[in-house]
Amino acid sequence: DAKTTQPTSMDCAEGRAANLPCNHSTISGNEYVYWYRQIHSQGPQYIIHGLKNNETNEMASLIITEDRKSSTLILPHATLRDTAVYYCIVTSGTYKYIFGTGTRLKVLA
Amino acid sequence: DTGVSQNPRHKITKRGQNVTFRCDPISEHNRLYWYRQTLGQGPEFLTYFQNEAQLEKSRLLSDRFSAERPKGSFSTLEIQRTEQGDSAMYLCASSDPGEFAGRDTEAFFGQGTRLTVV
Repeated sequence: DAKTTQPTSMDCAEGRAANLPCNHSTISGNEYVYWYRQIHSQGPQYIIHGLKNNETNEMASLIITEDRKSSTLILPHATLRDTAVYYCIVTSGTYKYIFGTGTRLKVLA
Repeated sequence: DTGVSQNPRHKITKRGQNVTFRCDPISEHNRLYWYRQTLGQGPEFLTYFQNEAQLEKSRLLSDRFSAERPKGSFSTLEIQRTEQGDSAMYLCASSDPGEFAGRDTEAFFGQGTRLTVV
């Protein structure tokens, strides 16, 4: 599975959009981009995933560049409860996710 | 509650003791995974079951670790002769094969069992 690169930490003001980038320059054609988040002391929570088209659900939007070498997770109106570590995972759909160290997002009041 | 359930949530044990954790996956899911997470790191894959068959084990899973999934339902992870380095969060996840060949749907994680070896 492709390796991903994410910033170590980010801050975002409450009510503003949080844009979390992820680089996956070695992604191959059959690999999906998945995003999970982990709030302190809880299990990872699924957010969204996509292949090449932009995706949106009730939690977030996922923007994947045309060359698929990077993506951005967008939380449109961040709240304090969105403070968490966000993981970007690239996988061909096999059973084994490779988590990095993720981005620690802090939403500020 | 139809999520992945793990028990116990916390376990403190003395070095050298054996411990066993249980995971109840989402009922329709035939795939079950165990991960381990140490402080400040992302989860690391340990092992994977499809129904009752254990199809892969990570090199992280030493001989002291054993996982089972009898009848393809719940799963147990046992650690024998615990060491301080085994202190971690043990996470279980489950998923169902997606409608498209070769692609799983997303995996759903439980809340984990936090093990502290003293």
